[in-house]
Amino acid sequence: DADVTQTPRNRITKTGKRIMLECSQTKGHDRMYWYRQDPGLGLRLIYYSFDVKDINKGEISDGYSVSRQAQAKFSLSLESAIPNQTALYFCATSDLSGRPSDTQYFGPGTRLTVL
Amino acid sequence: GQQVMQIPQYQHVQEGEDFTTYCNSSTTLSNIQWYKQRPGGHPVFLIQLVKSGEVKKQKRLTFQFGEAKKNSSLHITATQTTDVGTYFCAGNTDKLIFGTGTRLQVFP
Repeated sequence: DADVTQTPRNRITKTGKRIMLECSQTKGHDRMYWYRQDPGLGLRLIYYSFDVKDINKGEISDGYSVSRQAQAKFSLSLESAIPNQTALYFCATSDLSGRPSDTQYFGPGTRLTVL
Repeated sequence: GQQVMQIPQYQHVQEGEDFTTYCNSSTTLSNIQWYKQRPGGHPVFLIQLVKSGEVKKQKRLTFQFGEAKKNSSLHITATQTTDVGTYFCAGNTDKLIFGTGTRLQVFP
């Protein structure tokens, strides 16, 4: 969905480096999410935020941190990247008052490779 | 914690054959959503089911929500090559939990 953008789209980095993935949305949604996708494991929730002052851990938050800089921006950081963080990362937004409620709108994804 | 499992993990079918993917939750859901991810793309919302026993259709796709609101299925009649992709269910309680997905390959 063009209303949700992610940068960078691809990144190759080395073990131990700090990496930030950025997500921006123009949908005006309060809720934003970071997911990780690995083959055979589906989409796993890393962190989510229901508004600017709200940050919550998902099922796999270890090794990650997030920042909700504004309603429209939600960034994901890997403080010290490790090879098993190699994955496809998706940002998503949702609106509880939408129809249907809480439908997730995904960005195009960031493919991260940690060597 | 809450888990949402899908089977099968992969399905290869000949064009024109039917396809079904099943979704099972460890807990009762308030609603369930289905998404499709084309190869190289991102998940896109298909539909939401809310009521116990609900059945919804979108052309050749039929979605069903179980009576106990713990399972769901997606059935595609007469698959086409455009149906290729990974289908995810996502169960909703206080937050959305995605299933493991079923990757569908359709051979012409």
